[in-house]
Amino acid sequence: GAVVSQHPSWVICKSGTSVKIECRSLDFQATTMFWYRQFPKQSLMLMATSNEGSKATYEQGVEKDKFLINHASLTLSTLTVTSAHPEDSSFYICTGTSGDNEQFFGPGTRLTVL
Amino acid sequence: AQSVTQLDSQVPVFEEAPVELRCNYSSSVSVYLFWYVQYPNQGLQLLLKYLSGSTLVKGINGFEAEFNKSQTSFHLRKPSVHISDTAEYFCAVRRSNTGNQFYFGTGTSLTVIP
Repeated sequence: GAVVSQHPSWVICKSGTSVKIECRSLDFQATTMFWYRQFPKQSLMLMATSNEGSKATYEQGVEKDKFLINHASLTLSTLTVTSAHPEDSSFYICTGTSGDNEQFFGPGTRLTVL
Repeated sequence: AQSVTQLDSQVPVFEEAPVELRCNYSSSVSVYLFWYVQYPNQGLQLLLKYLSGSTLVKGINGFEAEFNKSQTSFHLRKPSVHISDTAEYFCAVRRSNTGNQFYFGTGTSLTVIP
């Protein structure tokens, strides 16, 4: 099946710094990518929908200026957590949607903000 | 709007015993149904999905699920569990008519006891 990768898989940063997470579709073109976050022992919550070449659509309660999403190409979407704080520590998961509407999950990125 | 309910947050079961993880959903439109498994510190892996056709769906690792439209349920079953099945299991729905967004349940933590 199709593969979605995320980089880095684990990142630790100081409070106040910014962190960029990359999501790549390795063997298909993803016109749409979704970003989810998952707190410990909880389910996945959709943060935003990223469409190639256009602005991301954010879910209610998600700060678009804090979580910057760029979908510059059909194989790459990036999520930048700006001025990260400890409460932003979470597991961030992206998914890529292929042309036949199948959705594939990335392995996730664990962010720890000290 | 769509919602997914997983009533059992934790399910302990002895090795080689059968298990059923419950999932109920609500939706005003027809949906696709999915079960995902998540091992510690990893992303989601698709177990099985129901799109159309036979209501009994077989997936990987010996799991199966049955779509019951009248009861709006999609329970996951395995006749004999292994230690390696210990993981978090998520039920999810996606609207079949439009959009690729998933709605996830809160997850069920399956612990297989030797």
